[in-house]
Amino acid sequence: DAGVIQSPRHEVTEMGQEVTLRCKPISGHNSLFWYRQTMMRGLELLIYFNNNVPIDDSGMPEDRFSAKMPNASFSTLKIQPSEPRDSAVYFCATGQYNEQFFGPGTRLTVL
Amino acid sequence: GENVEQHPSTLSVQEGDSAVIKCTYSDSASNYFPWYKQELGKRPQLIIDIRSNVGEKKDQRIAVTLNKTAKHFSLHITETQPEDSAVYFCAATYNTNAGKSTFGDGTTLTVKP
Repeated sequence: DAGVIQSPRHEVTEMGQEVTLRCKPISGHNSLFWYRQTMMRGLELLIYFNNNVPIDDSGMPEDRFSAKMPNASFSTLKIQPSEPRDSAVYFCATGQYNEQFFGPGTRLTVL
Repeated sequence: GENVEQHPSTLSVQEGDSAVIKCTYSDSASNYFPWYKQELGKRPQLIIDIRSNVGEKKDQRIAVTLNKTAKHFSLHITETQPEDSAVYFCAATYNTNAGKSTFGDGTTLTVKP
C-alpha cells in the first residue's frame, strides 16, 4: 500500500487565489482528517469525515475553507480566497478504528 | 470536549540517558492513547499506542504507561540516541468519535551526542 497520498507537495500562490489540496486515503480506511500545522498554533484539526460524511468541521477557521469527500478514495480541502496567514503545512490523515496514518503533507505558501 | 496537556515543551538529554514525556487528559471516556514522532520536515508517525485496558506497553527502547485513575500517560525512551531527536505528540481518543484524537502541543526532544 502506498500510504496516504497528498498533492501537491508544495504550493506557492498569491493572495486571493483559490487553492485546492487533495488527499487519497489508504484503501479501507473509513475516517479521514485534515490538519493544519504551523509553528505558532501547532497541529490543528480542521475537519474530519467518517464513511465520507463530515462529522465535525468546528476547526475550519472561516468560510474561506471548505472540504469535500465525494467518495471513499478522495478528499479535497479548498481555500478561496487564500490569504498569507493560511501559509502552513496541511496534513491529511486516515484511519480505521483509532489509529491515524498521516500523509506527507502539502506545504502552502501564500504570498 | 477533551483537553490534553503535554509536558515538558522542550527536553534536552545526553545520549544514553532516558527521556520521559508526560500527558494528562480530561475526558475519562477516552480509551486510546497514541504517541507520534515528527522529525523535522516530515509527517507525524505513530510510534506506540496504548488502550485503556492496559497499564503499560513496551516496544524495544520505548514504553508507555497509563494511569486511568489519575488520567495521565507517559512516554519513556531509554538509551536515547541522536536519531531520537524529534517532536513527540501525545493524543487521547474516544473511539465513538470516529477515531478523532485530541493532540498535545508537542515536546521537542534533543539528544546531544
